[in-house]
Amino acid sequence: RKEVEQDPGPFNVPEGATVAFNCTYSNSASQSFFWYRQDCRKEPKLLMSVYSSGNEDGRFTAQLNRASQYISLLIRDSKLSDSATYLCVVEGQGFSFIFGKGTRLLVKP
Amino acid sequence: NAGVTQTPKFQVLKTGQSMTLQCAQDMNHNSMYWYRQDPGMGLRLIYYSASEGTTDKGEVPNGYNVSRLNKREFSLRLESAAPSQTSVYFCASSDSRNTGELFFGEGSRLTVL
Repeated sequence: RKEVEQDPGPFNVPEGATVAFNCTYSNSASQSFFWYRQDCRKEPKLLMSVYSSGNEDGRFTAQLNRASQYISLLIRDSKLSDSATYLCVVEGQGFSFIFGKGTRLLVKP
Repeated sequence: NAGVTQTPKFQVLKTGQSMTLQCAQDMNHNSMYWYRQDPGMGLRLIYYSASEGTTDKGEVPNGYNVSRLNKREFSLRLESAAPSQTSVYFCASSDSRNTGELFFGEGSRLTVL
C-alpha cells in the first residue's frame, strides 16, 4: 500500500455542485493531516488542516477517519475558481510530510 | 514579503553537468525541505532539514546532496545531472511539524538534456 493515495480524477462538475475527495494513508502513527491546493504550474498552498473532530472553513469541510485511515474533503457550492489540484498531505517520519499525487477538479459553467 | 525564494527559476543542463539550486526563507523557520514534482507523480521528498545543522534523506535522495548553510538557506546540489532529474523542484519551509503549514517557493524548472 502506498503511503498516501488519492484518486487522480479529473472530477468534472458543474458550478454549484458538491464534490468530495478521499485520501487513504498507510502510516497508522501519523498525527497530522492536511489538504493543499495547487494551481497549474504554481506552488502548493495550504487549504486546511484536518482535525480528528472534523473541521469546516466556509464551503470546505475536512474529516478524518483514523480507524479506516482516510481523510476527506468536501466542497459545497463549487465555484469556477475552485478548479485546481487538491493534494492530501500526511505527516511522515521525523519532520517530513508525504504528499499524495493529487486529485484534479474542473468546475464548469 | 519574500517568504521562500528559489533560484534559478529555469535551468537547462547537459547530462553530467553539475548545478546547485538555492533556497532562502525569511520567516525564521526551523525546518526546510526539497521536493521534486513530476507529471503524474505528485510531490516527492528529496531531502529535508528539521533544524539548522541537520539533514535527512527523503523518499528520493539518490543523485542529490544538500547543505543547510544556516537557518535561512538550504541548497540542493546535483553533482552529475541525468535526464531522469528533469523535473520541477520546490523548496519549502515550516516553523514546526505540528502546524504543518509548508510555505513553498515558486519552483525551479530543470531540464537535463
